[in-house]
Amino acid sequence: GAVVSQHPSWVICKSGTSVKIECRSLDFQATTMFWYRQFPKQSLMLMATSNEGSKATYEQGVEKDKFLINHASLTLSTLTVTSAHPEDSSFYICSAEGRASSTDTQYFGPGTRLTVL
Amino acid sequence: GESVGLHLPTLSVQEGDNSIINCAYSNSASDYFIWYKQESGKGPQFIIDIRSNMDKRQGQRVTVLLNKTVKHLSLQIAATQPGDSAVYFCAENRGSYIPTFGRGTSLIVHP
Repeated sequence: GAVVSQHPSWVICKSGTSVKIECRSLDFQATTMFWYRQFPKQSLMLMATSNEGSKATYEQGVEKDKFLINHASLTLSTLTVTSAHPEDSSFYICSAEGRASSTDTQYFGPGTRLTVL
Repeated sequence: GESVGLHLPTLSVQEGDNSIINCAYSNSASDYFIWYKQESGKGPQFIIDIRSNMDKRQGQRVTVLLNKTVKHLSLQIAATQPGDSAVYFCAENRGSYIPTFGRGTSLIVHP
């Protein structure tokens, strides 16, 4: 099946620094990728939709300047949390929609645990 | 819309029993539904899906039932195993590939 990877799997940073999270589709091309955040014992909340070669579409309430998304190629999307603060600590998950998916599903990455001190 | 709660409902079962996890969805226009399994510290994993023109679909050890009249979805797991312990999310799609996740249910399987 399709594989999506994320890097890093976990990161600890100081408040005020920026953190970049990578999402890669390993064996398929993803024209669209999605970024979610998940707080403990809660559901996944869609942050933004990332389309290759164009600007990301952010969900209501998500700060564009805070969460920078770049989808430079068909296999890579990055999420940069700028000037991170403790409240940004969360589990960030990406997913990818394959160009030739046989089913109408997304393939999820393993997630990145961000802890801001 | 999205459903976020501070506490996940929990279902505890004995190994070998059948499990039934329920989900209520919000939008009658939703036409595609998916169940995901999420183990601790990992991303969601696709289990089974169903379209709105169906009311039942079976997979390996899993069955999804859809009742559009009451906007209810259920996931049945036969002969539950300890490896089935996880959080299960239902998700609904409304004409797009972007699922809206439900609240989630924590399944605990006791050996």
